[in-house]
Amino acid sequence: AQSVTQLDSQVPVFEEAPVELRCNYSSSVSVYLFWYVQYPNQGLQLLLKYLSGSTLVESINGFEAEFNKSQTSFHLRKPSVHISDTAEYFCAVSEGSQGNLIFGKGTKLSVKP
Amino acid sequence: DSGVTQTPKHLITATGQRVTLRCSPRSGDLSVYWYQQSLDQGLQFLIQYYNGEERAKGNILERFSAQQFPDLHSELNLSSLELGDSALYFCASSVGHGSGANVLTFGAGSRLTVL
Repeated sequence: AQSVTQLDSQVPVFEEAPVELRCNYSSSVSVYLFWYVQYPNQGLQLLLKYLSGSTLVESINGFEAEFNKSQTSFHLRKPSVHISDTAEYFCAVSEGSQGNLIFGKGTKLSVKP
Repeated sequence: DSGVTQTPKHLITATGQRVTLRCSPRSGDLSVYWYQQSLDQGLQFLIQYYNGEERAKGNILERFSAQQFPDLHSELNLSSLELGDSALYFCASSVGHGSGANVLTFGAGSRLTVL
């Protein structure tokens, strides 16, 4: 069965500092990987996805994630965070034959001035 | 606006009662998914429908049921409510069903409080 582990429940960081949110998954078959972001009192929004091809994927607001098959990881990184990046970030996985997503428990990113 | 519409946004009810949450998928999407988000369990997949048919089932309680109608909107029925059912319920939609490459678009959620 698939599962997703987000190793940090909370990550506090100062503005303009780099950040890495860690995500590991377990699956016996090929997977598709996603990061979603949830701002306070809002629904989930897709941040970026890995479906196939290049293992490094980027979002439009400066986040990137790298699919590492050998380490079964899909860590999210940003070289310089802004106050507006404060949100909860969810890593998710789906297997090739299924449409539903299995989510990790989320990481709350708190960016301080 | 994601294009996925959920009503009501907030709902307060008492234990033992029954409620219905409604979801209209994004235009063109045929699949609807229901998720429950609570502080202790995180985001849990409940159930998926594709073009009116049930496609996948997750951790959905027997007290809960769902359906997708011919116009593709979906309803999640929660009955014999307990305090522990208090949560945020999300609906998501996607174009297809069986491929893990489908991208899910989420609604803003319905917050249920059971007193």
